Amino acid sequence: DGGITQSPKYLFRKEGQNVTLSCEQNLNHDAMYWYRQDPGQGLRLIYYSQIVNDFQKGDIAEGYSVSREKKESFPLTVTSAQKNPTAFYLCASSAPEAPLDRPDTGELFFGEGSRLTVL
Amino acid sequence: KNEVEQSPQNLTAQEGEFITINCSYSVGISALHWLQQHPGGGIVSLFMLSSGKKKHGRLIATINIQEKHSSLHITASHPRDSAVYICAVRLWAYGGATNKLIFGTGTLLAVQP
Repeated sequence: DGGITQSPKYLFRKEGQNVTLSCEQNLNHDAMYWYRQDPGQGLRLIYYSQIVNDFQKGDIAEGYSVSREKKESFPLTVTSAQKNPTAFYLCASSAPEAPLDRPDTGELFFGEGSRLTVL
Repeated sequence: KNEVEQSPQNLTAQEGEFITINCSYSVGISALHWLQQHPGGGIVSLFMLSSGKKKHGRLIATINIQEKHSSLHITASHPRDSAVYICAVRLWAYGGATNKLIFGTGTLLAVQP
């Protein structure tokens, strides 16, 4: 089945370490996104990519980096420069149109998320 | 003030009740999404709408563009409907629709048997 796979689901990091969260999609979507979710706040955009080899900063890009070398992959690295990295991270992708079997849902798809905890 | 406000923040209902979750926004939009987040954390899209009303099973979503307001209704609620429901708007900018989404903080729904 088509979808978005994030790994790992849970990750623990020591202060000063970089970690990379994986996001893979087999939906053939051009656009991919990384969001951060904190308790009591709406999802906030970290980075997004509209096409392979191109990406733009979102609202809270400081301390994060991404790459988009392949259409299906959009990994996020949380660097030691991110001051408060403990959060739930969600990867998403979007298509130009909604799927034929669920036209009402729109074109936005999310992964299951990765929970990062800094020790 | 947040650009997307949801109410209520928390909602507890008895099985079978009719449920309404509200979303108000203060920006120009091209579309509005209703999303469902289960305790495990994954998010699924329920609806995307830019006008009128959409229905899928027991779920109904409406939007009033003039009033900048949308509602998500659940009829005959069931414990399996327990989740966080999130409203997100896609911004409209000069030149047309953008890919920028602004999310509400979510409504935590608990349906008790």
